Amino acid sequence: AQTVTQSQPEMSVQEAETVTLSCTYDTSESDYYLFWYKQPPSRQMILVIRQEAYKQQNATENRFSVNFQKAAKSFSLKISDSQLGDAAMYFCAYRSPPYSGGGADGLTFGKGTHLIIQP
Amino acid sequence: KAGVTQTPRYLIKTRGQQVTLSCSPISGHRSVSWYQQTPGQGLQFLFEYFSETQRNKGNFPGRFSGRQFSNSRSEMNVSTLELGDSALYLCASSLGTEGNTEAFFGQGTRLTVV
Repeated sequence: AQTVTQSQPEMSVQEAETVTLSCTYDTSESDYYLFWYKQPPSRQMILVIRQEAYKQQNATENRFSVNFQKAAKSFSLKISDSQLGDAAMYFCAYRSPPYSGGGADGLTFGKGTHLIIQP
Repeated sequence: KAGVTQTPRYLIKTRGQQVTLSCSPISGHRSVSWYQQTPGQGLQFLFEYFSETQRNKGNFPGRFSGRQFSNSRSEMNVSTLELGDSALYLCASSLGTEGNTEAFFGQGTRLTVV
């Protein structure tokens, strides 16, 4: 079974600065999908960014970018120009390809990182 | 376009009772997944449905079950409730079952078992 580890329970950053959230995962599959989700106090999970393992290019979405290191099984999220609205729990998630037999087809989540933005 | 709707938002039940939670996916979405979120265990996958068929199930006891209707709406049922079932239950819908398909989450149902 796949596992996802987020080693930083909490991170704090000054507004307008850059912060990097860490995520490592364990899998024996060669093809898979990785995601970062944000969960604000409203509790509604929102997709921040996604990465297909077969793509070498790191995904970028505006101020959010990832550093995907497949060999190291690392998938970190960088938030540039942090804003107060970025404050939330951030979850790293893994998903096997459909019908891969690699286990449950749902998302496997890490424990999350609580991101605090200091004004 | 309406988002994923979960009802009820909050629920209090007594140990031993059963409960049914409902999820209405985004229009056109055929895949619905359920997750349990607790402070101790984090987010855990319960099951996924596509076109009324359960595709896979997470590591939960048989007391947890679900179904999907022809209009893609889904329900999950928990029988013989235990205190440990207290959690936020999240439903997510997506267009299909491709691995990179974005899952849109509802706001969850907060279940408290007393």
